Amino acid sequence: KAGVTQTPRYLIKTRGQQVTLSCSPISGHRSVSWYQQTPGQGLQFLFEYFSETQRNKGNFPGRFSGRQFSNSRSEMNVSTLELGDSALYLCASRLDSGETQYFGPGTRLLVL
Amino acid sequence: DQQVKQNSPSLSVQEGRISILNCDYTNSMFDYFLWYKKYPAEGPTFLISISSIKDKNEDGRFTVFLNKSAKHLSLHIVPSQPGDSAVYFCAASARVVEYGNKLVFGAGTILRVKS
Repeated sequence: KAGVTQTPRYLIKTRGQQVTLSCSPISGHRSVSWYQQTPGQGLQFLFEYFSETQRNKGNFPGRFSGRQFSNSRSEMNVSTLELGDSALYLCASRLDSGETQYFGPGTRLLVL
Repeated sequence: DQQVKQNSPSLSVQEGRISILNCDYTNSMFDYFLWYKKYPAEGPTFLISISSIKDKNEDGRFTVFLNKSAKHLSLHIVPSQPGDSAVYFCAASARVVEYGNKLVFGAGTILRVKS
């Protein structure tokens, strides 16, 4: 079974731009969560989607948003990019009844 | 407020010996714990997990121990291999509405296994 896939793997943007990252979960997984990893803050939860609905949201500004499609694929969007948004963005999926989240390879975003 | 703490930033172990990575948590609502291994610029790879109803779980060379009264868990790797060199993250979740299914991560411990 294929793992979680994320595209693109690397991205360079400038301040003020917006960016959309994509995640395809493991087949059969309907829950998708997003995390941000930075050297200063570590791994932090952004939000979780299940059946196209946001179920939980972390402590991030409204510039960070997401959505989930009927095929469970998810996208996250960051608007008005700031230098501090440079990070590794990770997507994870899990089974409805499962506790374990499986991560994708991440998207490395650099904001200049 | 760091709810999951990995107080050792790094650990160096000789190949073939035991590696013990530690993790402490403060939130008593946490009831599921996981260990992930991570290489730079890659996503975390799931290693092993434990539910709060257990105090031990084994999978091959990896064993996780949970001490609920001390709010402490540890990951034992026996025997350690050079390929185990990576950053290890402890994570916790709570099956309550206000937490959803989010994972709260520790800061990670860099494990170096010397050959």
